[in-house]
Parts: sequence; C-alpha cells; structure tokens
Amino acid sequence: DQQVKQNSPSLSVQEGRISILNCDYTNSMFDYFLWYKKYPAEGPTFLISISSIKDKNEDGRFTVFLNKSAKHLSLHIVPSQPGDSAVYFCAAMSGTGANNLFFGTGTRLTVIP
Amino acid sequence: GAGVSQSPRYKVAKRGQDVALRCDPISGHVSLFWYQQALGQGPEFLTYFQNEAQLDKSGLPSDRFFAERPEGSVSTLKIQRTQQEDSAVYLCASSLASGGIEKLFFGSGTQLSVL
Repeated sequence: DQQVKQNSPSLSVQEGRISILNCDYTNSMFDYFLWYKKYPAEGPTFLISISSIKDKNEDGRFTVFLNKSAKHLSLHIVPSQPGDSAVYFCAAMSGTGANNLFFGTGTRLTVIP
Repeated sequence: GAGVSQSPRYKVAKRGQDVALRCDPISGHVSLFWYQQALGQGPEFLTYFQNEAQLDKSGLPSDRFFAERPEGSVSTLKIQRTQQEDSAVYLCASSLASGGIEKLFFGSGTQLSVL
C-alpha cells in the first residue's frame, strides 16, 4: 500500500510562472518530509525538507508547505526555470534513518521556455 | 571518487540467471542503503548497512536477494534466479554516520532488465 502519493504524474509550466507539486500521505506517524529532484540517468538529489512542527519552509525559489490535518504537502517553485525540468519525488519518514524513508511515485515537471 | 558509483549502469539478464550489482559509496561514508525503483514508482527501501554490519534487511523482497558489504566500503547486491518482476532500477545511497537524511547521496543506479 502506497503511503506517500503523488497523484499527478506530470506537470507543464511556462518559464517564469509558479510550479506547484502536490503530495499526500496516509501515515499520521510521519514527522519529517522531503522533496528530491531527479534528472535522467542520475540519482535523486535532496532539494528541501520540512519537519512536522512547521507548516512552511523556504529556500530561495523553493517553498514547501505542510498541512498536517489534511496529510498534504506541496512544493512551490517560483519563478520556474527550464533547468527545473526533472522528476520530483516527495518522501516521508517517521523516526530516523533512510531505512524509514518512503517515497512517492514522482511528478515529472517540464518548464517550457 | 566524488560521488556514489554504481556498476554496471545497465544489466540484461535471462530469467533464472544470477546477477551482482556493485556500489562504491563516497569515501568515508559509514551508512549505505539499497533501494529498488520499479518503472513508474518511487524508490523502495531494500536494506541498510552501517560499516560492514547489515542492520536492516526488512525490505528485501525474497530470499533470492542478498546484500553484503564485507569491508565496510563497497557493497554488492546479489539477486539469484532472477524473475521478470525483479526488473527495476537499483539505487545505492550513502551517508556519513552523523549525516542527517538530507545528506544522503544517491548513485545513478543500475537498470536491471530480466527477459
């Protein structure tokens, strides 16, 4: 059973506009959430994270929002750039250690110049 | 090397064949993880080493899967009698013992196709 879900397999956005990637989870024990970015033929790389004690975390053009009551998080990219085109994975964990990390299925973002 | 290195990059196996996938973690990284990523899915945890000790193998899907890290550096994931459902990208990741989850570095993976 998929504990972390990304229901949009793909998203296309014009350069300069906002990209919003969504993620839902089912396990209320998850207390830490991460977004990874993956280019073709490369492994995922960490992008941004958020603890369950916060509802927002911002890093430059990237902001992650967490709604615990809805078990929903989203990644906002503003402004979107062509180099942002990649697959984005949402991940969640409870406790520590990457053996407790659960990934979503990914959303392929295409930023159109 | 500068990053996590995995070999081979691609592997085609006939059903029933044994395969071995190699991971060279970043030098000095104590923790090493294997993940399996099926087509259209996110990575799923397989097993975890701290140095040479395999601390968690709860994600290994069957006893055909075996992983080792005998000297605490290079790791090998072995799949015996491969089946078509084993077709996936196998990702290795490593981190320092004190490194947080954000400091988990992934290799580019081995794409296994079982015919």
